Amino acid sequence: DTGVSQDPRHKITKRGQNVTFRCDPISEHNRLYWYRQTLGQGPEFLTYFQNEAQLEKSRLLSDRFSAERPKGSFSTLEIQRTEQGDSAMYLCASSLDSRVRVGTDTQYFGPGTRLTVL
Amino acid sequence: KNEVEQSPQNLTAQEGEFITINCSYSVGISALHWLQQHPGGGIVSLFMLSSGKKKHGRLIATINIQEKHSSLHITASHPRDSAVYICAIPNNYGQNFVFGPGTRLSVLP
Repeated sequence: DTGVSQDPRHKITKRGQNVTFRCDPISEHNRLYWYRQTLGQGPEFLTYFQNEAQLEKSRLLSDRFSAERPKGSFSTLEIQRTEQGDSAMYLCASSLDSRVRVGTDTQYFGPGTRLTVL
Repeated sequence: KNEVEQSPQNLTAQEGEFITINCSYSVGISALHWLQQHPGGGIVSLFMLSSGKKKHGRLIATINIQEKHSSLHITASHPRDSAVYICAIPNNYGQNFVFGPGTRLSVLP
């Protein structure tokens, strides 16, 4: 399977615990994105990487959230001291920098990690 | 701030009906994306549009850049088309998406 993969698919944790999610993008893609989606809403942007550099972070990404892409391949998203409001689907996507016009990259999405904070 | 609106929010159709989902946005863009999200979360990119119209099978997407409006049409709808359809545009920096709220489509047999 050469698509975007995410692990785990489901995570249930107690409030206050730390959780870490992993995303493996399509291998030749240099851009990687994290989004969060709550029930009944469209996804919201969290952060994105160009290779290993984290180029943009949403104000939604509080200091309890940290993302890394150390070797420009897979990425991790960690949430510290989870709160019930963190319960959501966390989506990862990757794309290949088209360098034609901004916004014209096609993003390929992973299946998501569904987080439930009790 | 980019804003993306979609209508309708929910749509129920009988199998075989012609379906239209609308998307409007408030800023100038270089491209608009239509995405499909099935129950369970997986998102698939359907179209990327810069102008005019694109067709893929029973799906047709159109965009009017001047009017800041796009439509997604499904001809001869089928229950397997049941999903949430989301339009998305580049954000101010063009490097990620601003998503619409989605249109939940249910096609009944």
